[in-house]
Amino acid sequence: ELKVEQNPLFLSMQEGKNYTIYCNYSTTSDRLYWYRQDPGKSLESLFVLLSNGAVKQEGRLMASLDTKARLSTLHITAAVHDLSATYFCAVDRSGGSNYKLTFGKGTLLTVNP
Amino acid sequence: KAGVTQTPRYLIKTRGQQVTLSCSPISGHRSVSWYQQTPGQGLQFLFEYFSETQRNKGNFPGRFSGRQFSNSRSEMNVSTLELGDSALYLCASTPIGLRQMNTEAFFGQGTRLTVV
Repeated sequence: ELKVEQNPLFLSMQEGKNYTIYCNYSTTSDRLYWYRQDPGKSLESLFVLLSNGAVKQEGRLMASLDTKARLSTLHITAAVHDLSATYFCAVDRSGGSNYKLTFGKGTLLTVNP
Repeated sequence: KAGVTQTPRYLIKTRGQQVTLSCSPISGHRSVSWYQQTPGQGLQFLFEYFSETQRNKGNFPGRFSGRQFSNSRSEMNVSTLELGDSALYLCASTPIGLRQMNTEAFFGQGTRLTVV
């Protein structure tokens, strides 16, 4: 059974600081996704990582994928309050068709002034 | 381009009742997946439909069922509701068949179901 583990589950950080969220998964997959969820809202796609060594950046967020280590990271640079949300990583179990995702538990990020 | 539309947004039901939720995928997307999100279990895959056929099912009891229509719209039904069924139900549509390099699942706003 595929397991996806995120850590930390809770992250409180100050504005301007850097931090990394980790996502480990237990079986081979070369497709990993990061989503953001604001309270009471749906999932917003942040990054799609499709191969080993993939690195994507958008603003203060950068995601990477190491399929050999079965590890993805979401790095936050110089955090701002607007980044406060829950972040999920998800692994595709459908062989590339993305209709069956296994999610991590999520990381609740709170950025304090 | 319209996104994934779920209706209703909020529902309150009583234990023992049944409920039907609806999901209209992005135009042209033929796959619809359903997920349940609860504080305790997180996001869990319920089932997926493609061309009116259920192709995959998660580890949920038979009280959870669904269907897909010829226009790709999907419904999920939960019978004999239990308190533990209170959750945010999300559907996602996927452009299967296009094999785009950055293909992804697009999620709707969800239906918040409260069972009392």
